[in-house]
This record gives sequence, structure tokens and C-alpha cells, in this order.
Amino acid sequence: NAGVTQTPKFRVLKTGQSMTLLCAQDMNHEYMYWYRQDPGMGLRLIHYSVGEGTTAKGEVPDGYNVSRLKKQNFLLGLESAAPSQTSVYFCASSSSGGGEGYTFGSGTRLTVV
Amino acid sequence: SQKIEQNSEALNIQEGKTATLTCNYTNYSPAYLQWYRQDPGRGPVFLLLIRENEKEKRKERLKVTFDTTLKQSLFHITASQPADSATYLCALDGDGNNRLAFGKGNQVVVIP
Repeated sequence: NAGVTQTPKFRVLKTGQSMTLLCAQDMNHEYMYWYRQDPGMGLRLIHYSVGEGTTAKGEVPDGYNVSRLKKQNFLLGLESAAPSQTSVYFCASSSSGGGEGYTFGSGTRLTVV
Repeated sequence: SQKIEQNSEALNIQEGKTATLTCNYTNYSPAYLQWYRQDPGRGPVFLLLIRENEKEKRKERLKVTFDTTLKQSLFHITASQPADSATYLCALDGDGNNRLAFGKGNQVVVIP
């Protein structure tokens, strides 16, 4: 049982480049989330999904897009990367939206130069 | 504005003692509150959930209390061990929309 898998684990982008972060879960969870974690800022919610085909904005959605075409996958896209998007990105999933704990992936460390 | 506050200073504690962490929140009315552990370079790991109608929850050496009047949760690690050294995050369901808001975390260092 892999839980939540994030790819890639590390990436360096140049300003203006685009990329997609992939999150896959094998627990049949309905809810999926993308957070970013910056020093001194804690975890901040970017976008989330309450089920296949749905997405919603979180606290810091600007500069990001997401898609949930399949229940097990939640993609986070950066269309035109900026240095301010240098961060560690965590994906999480939950069966009931928080009434039980979230399962987190191991993170993607992204540097935009 | 809404805030979830955890002590930014690391808690250094002797092995065998009880570590106590505080989570205070303002302008939230959470239905539940959760605690996570995060090790360096890893994702957070869920530890405990306590609901608004529960005063206390225990799991092995961990104990959590929840006071909705004080808007505060306390997290206790009894008989602390060096392996308990990590950052502990408080999280709560801020607006009932099935998404957690997190505090910045509080580092615990258990000294052998």
C-alpha cells in the first residue's frame, strides 16, 4: 500500500517555464489537496478537490492550476514559474475531508531560478 | 483575521519528561482539531483528532485536550524519548468546507 505518491521529488525550473506535479493515491480517497510549505509560513492550501472532476481554490491559488480527471490523481500545474513559487509542495488525501486525518505525500522540492 | 498560533521557539526537554505544546486559534469555530508530526524532509503524519464535544483524547503516550471556550488545544507527550524529536503541527477545520488550516508548527527536541 503506497499511500500518497508525489512525483517528481526535486525539480529546478527557470523563470517562465512550466511544469506539472503529479499526486497519486491508492486509498480510494475522495478528497485531495495541494499545500505549499515555506519557512516561517507553515502549510498553506493552494487548491483542493472533493471528488473526481471537481476542483476548488484554497488560500493561495494564484499562479497554479489543478485537474482531477481520475479519482486517484490530482495534478498541480505551474504555467509560468516565478521565483516566488520556490517551495516544498505537499499533496494530501482524505476519505472524509478532515473528519479523519490526512495522508500526506513526501513532498516535491521546487526551486525556480 | 483568522489565526492558528503555535510557539515558534523550540521546546527542549529532558528524556523521560512530559512535553506540552500549545495551539491557540482566533476567529475559528472548528468542529475538530488535529495534530500532526513532521520530520525534516518528510510530509506530515497524522497523530490525533479531537472533536469539539471531546475534552481529551489519548493515544499511547500522547494526550490532546481541546477547550473551545479558551480556543486552545494542548498536546502532551509523556515519558518523552529522543525519537519524539520532531515538529508538531496543529490543524483545524476552519470553515466547515472539508479543508484543514495549519499552524506553523512547534519543534520539540528531546535531550537524552
